[in-house]
Amino acid sequence: DGGITQSPKYLFRKEGQNVTLSCEQNLNHDAMYWYRQDPGQGLRLIYYSQIVNDFQKGDIAEGYSVSREKKESFPLTVTSAQKNPTAFYLCASSARRTWNTGELFFGEGSRLTVL
Amino acid sequence: GEDVEQSLFLSVREGDSSVINCTYTDSSSTYLYWYKQEPGAGLQLLTYIFSNMDMKQDQRLTVLLNKKDKHLSLRIADTQTGDSAIYFCAESNRATGGFKTIFGAGTRLFVKA
Repeated sequence: DGGITQSPKYLFRKEGQNVTLSCEQNLNHDAMYWYRQDPGQGLRLIYYSQIVNDFQKGDIAEGYSVSREKKESFPLTVTSAQKNPTAFYLCASSARRTWNTGELFFGEGSRLTVL
Repeated sequence: GEDVEQSLFLSVREGDSSVINCTYTDSSSTYLYWYKQEPGAGLQLLTYIFSNMDMKQDQRLTVLLNKKDKHLSLRIADTQTGDSAIYFCAESNRATGGFKTIFGAGTRLFVKA
């Protein structure tokens, strides 16, 4: 079955450590996205990528980094520079044919807790 | 910047209809969406409506759009306990497409048996 796989589902980090969240999709989608979800707030876009080896900052990119070396993969690194990293992180993808309509497919999320 | 607002909680009895409301500010919104998020999971697209439509029906779901008031609603008929989830309203416009979809904070629907 096609879909988006995020790992790990739960992650604990000490302050000052970088962590990398994995996102893999086998939907053959060109575009991939990272969102952050906090209680009582809408999803906020961190980074997105329309094509391999290219990515764009979203609304809250500070303290995060990404790479897009393969079409299937879009890992997110939460660096020690991110002031409040505890959150639920969602990866999404979309097909080129639906870029205009904006239909997004989401993974199941990764919950990061900073101790 | 553009914004999408929705109430945070709604509680209904099983079998009743649920109506979840949303307002948005972007007058150039082209597509409006409803996504559903079950506990501990990602979002799933339930339905979407083009801005030139007033209504869309899909089985138990009815979406109503009042473009003049920038108001979107989702009605779930015969609400079941399995409908308990967070429902997100979202919008995008033709200029940015899905790359800048704006999401509301989500309405948590509680269904009482």
